[in-house]
Amino acid sequence: GAVVSQHPSRVICKSGTSVKIECRSLDFQATTMFWYRQFPKQSLMLMATSNEGSKATYEQGVEKDKFLINHASLTLSTLTVTSAHPEDSSFYICSARGWGHSLEKLFFGSGTQLSVL
Amino acid sequence: TQLLEQSPQFLSIQEGENLTVYCNSSSVFSSLQWYRQEPGEGPVLLVTVVTGGEVKKLKRLTFQFGDARKDSSLHITAAQPGDTGLYLCAGGGTGNQFYFGTGTSLTVIP
Repeated sequence: GAVVSQHPSRVICKSGTSVKIECRSLDFQATTMFWYRQFPKQSLMLMATSNEGSKATYEQGVEKDKFLINHASLTLSTLTVTSAHPEDSSFYICSARGWGHSLEKLFFGSGTQLSVL
Repeated sequence: TQLLEQSPQFLSIQEGENLTVYCNSSSVFSSLQWYRQEPGEGPVLLVTVVTGGEVKKLKRLTFQFGDARKDSSLHITAAQPGDTGLYLCAGGGTGNQFYFGTGTSLTVIP
């Protein structure tokens, strides 16, 4: 089955540093990737929708300069948390919608737990 | 923006009991999905419902899609501790987005 690889799975960083999270589709071309943020025992909040080769569409309230998304190829999207602060600590998950797969199916990464000290 | 409201938000029951989780929206969806998520992992797809009024069964889990395709329910019969997790409904937005419901955290006590 389709696999989406997300790295790193866990990162601890100092306040003020930037952190990059990668999301790769391993055996299919992902025309659309989604980035979500999740707090403990809460649902996944959509942050942005990323289409290959174009700018990401951010949800209301998500700072595009804070959370930089790049989807430069059909197999890779990255989320960079710039100048991270403790309130950015969260679980971040990517998902990919693949070309040729059912439009209603998504493949998920395993998530990245970000802790900002 | 979350278009899908789930209830209850938290549920703690004894092993063997039955339960129902609801997913409601004011929007019409072409399909809805139900996922289950363990802590620290990505969501795992349980089922996709497409047709209004559709009922799908997955062992002890029964999923129903409302006739108007605005709501869905998940019923678990004889819950087991292994059913513990976060249950999420999800569907596509008006654009290219994909939204999750507000979530239901289920704890089944042995």
